[in-house]
Amino acid sequence: ETGVTQSPTHLIKTRGQQVTLRCSSQSGHNTVSWYQQALGQGPQFIFQYYREEENGRGNFPPRFSGLQFPNYSSELNVNALELDDSALYLCASSLDPQGNTEAFFGQGTRLTVV
Amino acid sequence: QKEVEQDPGPLSVPEGAIVSLNCTYSNSAFQYFMWYRQYSRKGPELLMYTYSSGNKEDGRFTAQVDKSSKYISLFIRDSQPSDSATYLCAMVNQAGTALIFGKGTTLSVSS
Repeated sequence: ETGVTQSPTHLIKTRGQQVTLRCSSQSGHNTVSWYQQALGQGPQFIFQYYREEENGRGNFPPRFSGLQFPNYSSELNVNALELDDSALYLCASSLDPQGNTEAFFGQGTRLTVV
Repeated sequence: QKEVEQDPGPLSVPEGAIVSLNCTYSNSAFQYFMWYRQYSRKGPELLMYTYSSGNKEDGRFTAQVDKSSKYISLFIRDSQPSDSATYLCAMVNQAGTALIFGKGTTLSVSS
């Protein structure tokens, strides 16, 4: 088990609603990245946060936004939910923004949009 | 063309078999190559990573990178039922800030 924890583990939302997912980093890790994993696919990079600022973003629309807090925990917010947003959302923490060779993932939050 | 290609399988083998998992990639600038294992309903777990070309061994697992062919492999010796999982290859993007994953190969080891 890694020290990365995510909450909630599951949730169901209705199309058009907004959702907030939370991630607590492994101790000593100051960088958090978020990934979306659709069923049968590999994780896709959403964005990375370092020192409370967005430090890189994948091909996701602006309705996907994030926050990082001084204690390095993080939130992923998704507005105007669409059915295709149904996926496993993973957060990964690392020692620094370039530390992806030893990024540790949480267990994920499974989001279902109906 | 996707940056990272991985055959999703499924792959079924008997206990004790040698398993070979592979990925190809298109960007010759990739330098770091990882293999993750993901059990059902869990997050990916890092198995090992390799820098540039060459081999790396860790117990029953061996990772190989051939940069000239843009081809990476993971070999599992003496496979066990507990190895049944999805195996994801991943590479660090050029900016160094993200992982680019393959689709994952689902492996089933029967006893």
